[in-house]
Amino acid sequence: ETGVTQTPRHLVMGMTNKKSLKCEQHLGHNAMYWYKQSAKKPLELMFVYNFKEQTENNSVPSRFSPECPNSSHLFLHLHTLQPEDSALYLCASSPSGGEADTQYFGPGTRLTVL
Amino acid sequence: GQNIDQPTEMTATEGAIVQINCTYQTSGFNGLFWYQQHAGEAPTFLSYNVLDGLEEKGRFSSFLSRSKGYSYLLLKELQMKDSASYLCAVRDSNYQLIWGAGTKLIIKP
Repeated sequence: ETGVTQTPRHLVMGMTNKKSLKCEQHLGHNAMYWYKQSAKKPLELMFVYNFKEQTENNSVPSRFSPECPNSSHLFLHLHTLQPEDSALYLCASSPSGGEADTQYFGPGTRLTVL
Repeated sequence: GQNIDQPTEMTATEGAIVQINCTYQTSGFNGLFWYQQHAGEAPTFLSYNVLDGLEEKGRFSSFLSRSKGYSYLLLKELQMKDSASYLCAVRDSNYQLIWGAGTKLIIKP
């Protein structure tokens, strides 16, 4: 399999549930990202990992918890979410997080919080 | 604050040419990206401009003027499959990507 894959593609959860989103990249990249995409709004960067180390955390609520066990895998653990957290969650990877980096995206997980 | 502006929606005719504009105000500039995103799919990389001028790639071209804080994406010989959202993003002085909200392009036969 090539590129960036994300599972599940769709997720419906209640506010008291705990779930995890998974991202895997097959590009040999060293940087991985989580974004939130809401309708008609710009992409919001949530977390950045570079060589498995978290380098950015853009004031994301603690109900979102990232995990990066290695440079190919990235998880987003979800618990006690709110309905306003419903959105498309995109994972991306890039070679190094450096100056001329281009990010490559997965297809996203469409999350609905009831 | 940092801001990227692009039109919310545009409509064009199959076979025609369309220009999607992007203006930005950011703290520093380290390159501008254009991505295409079909509904329900991943954004895919189209172009990268860091110097002023026009970059041509097949039917798609991207232009940058750093002094004006302005870019455009030019799509020629439009095809129905070009119906998608087009996202403009600028890398600022901290190498963070600042994203626009995207322009939804509708192609009519």
